[in-house]
Parts: sequence; C-alpha cells; structure tokens
Amino acid sequence: QKEVEQDPGPLSVPEGAIVSLNCTYSNSAFQYFMWYRQYSRKGPELLMYTYSSGNKEDGRFTAQVDKSSKYISLFIRDSQPSDSATYLCATYSGGGADGLTFGKGTHLIIQP
Amino acid sequence: DAGVIQSPRHEVTEMGQEVTLRCKPISGHNSLFWYRQTMMRGLELLIYFNNNVPIDDSGMPEDRFSAKMPNASFSTLKIQPSEPRDSAVYFCASSPNGGTRNTIYFGEGSWLTVV
Repeated sequence: QKEVEQDPGPLSVPEGAIVSLNCTYSNSAFQYFMWYRQYSRKGPELLMYTYSSGNKEDGRFTAQVDKSSKYISLFIRDSQPSDSATYLCATYSGGGADGLTFGKGTHLIIQP
Repeated sequence: DAGVIQSPRHEVTEMGQEVTLRCKPISGHNSLFWYRQTMMRGLELLIYFNNNVPIDDSGMPEDRFSAKMPNASFSTLKIQPSEPRDSAVYFCASSPNGGTRNTIYFGEGSWLTVV
C-alpha cells in the first residue's frame, strides 16, 4: 500500500462549483500536511499547509485534516477556470531528515 | 528572487548516453532536493542535501544515478548510462531550513526523454 493515496481523476466541474479533493494516508506518524498545485509543465507550488488535525482557511481554499481516519481534504469554493491544475497532497512526519511523501495528484478541470 | 533554476528544461538523448541535469537553488536555502515525477509513480524523492552534504539518498533508483552538490549554489544529477525507463520530469527543490517542509520551492523541471 502506497503511503499516500489520491484519486488521479480527472475531476471536471462547472465554474462556480465547490470542489472537494481528497487523500488518505497510512502512516500515523505523519503530522504535517500540505496541498500543492501544479500547472501543466510547471513545478508544484505550495498552496496550503496544516499541522495535525483541524481546518485551515485561506481565501477560497480550505484544508481539512482528520488524523483519526487518516483523511486529508482540500475544498475550493467558487471554483474558477484558473484553478484547473493538478493538486497533490503531501505529508511528512517532521523528523527533519526525510522529504515529503506525495500523492500522485488529482487532475482538476474547471469548465467555464 | 529568481527561484530555483534548472537546466536543461528539455533533453532528448539516446539510450546509453550520459545525462547531466543542473540546479541552482534559491540563494540562502540550505536544503536541496531532487525529485522525479512520472505518471505511474508520481513524485518520488531521489536525494536530499543539507548544507551541501547528502543526507538521504535511499530514493536513488540504482548506481546509474549520482548526485553532487559541490557548493551551496549548484547541484547536479547524473544518469550514466541512461535507459528509456529513466524518461521522466526531474525536479530540483530547495528549502531555507532543513527541519520543516512547508517552505520547499520547486524549479520548473527538466523533461528527460531517453529513446
């Protein structure tokens, strides 16, 4: 079992819809959770960062972590065509010497 | 800031040839990462340097791959000899501190095709 699982999509929704992107992870030692956005032919860029369980909101984006079920979510409100990208969840345990463990990413398409 | 700079952006090479990918991290960052991205496996960490010293190279797939960081502003990832299965996007990333991962900045990638 891969440590971080993510549905690759594509997920296609109309403009203005609420988007829900999800990941599950297997390692209970993971404490730090991130969402990266990757546009076509570009490198990933950090979108949201949370520590432990709970919610974090930034504009139209909300990141949610449920450590009891090992479930990570990203919600996008009032989705825009410019949100079309691949969204990767990532996590690490905080030991310092390890890199991030990424999901494979979900390809999101916002239809105008 | 110019961000993480990678070169070449695209490379097509024949099987058996040596490939060298280059990376200039963001000035002042003391951690550098090399990742490989494929459709099948997603983003995989190959190697991680802290203060120019390799800390974790457990992700390097085999001896054909090697990475160096001779100084704080330059790193290379070398594949010798290259094989078609090495075709992927290789990302370099840097971070201003070695203890956290919420400040990793990626370059735009080197797109490698081995034919």
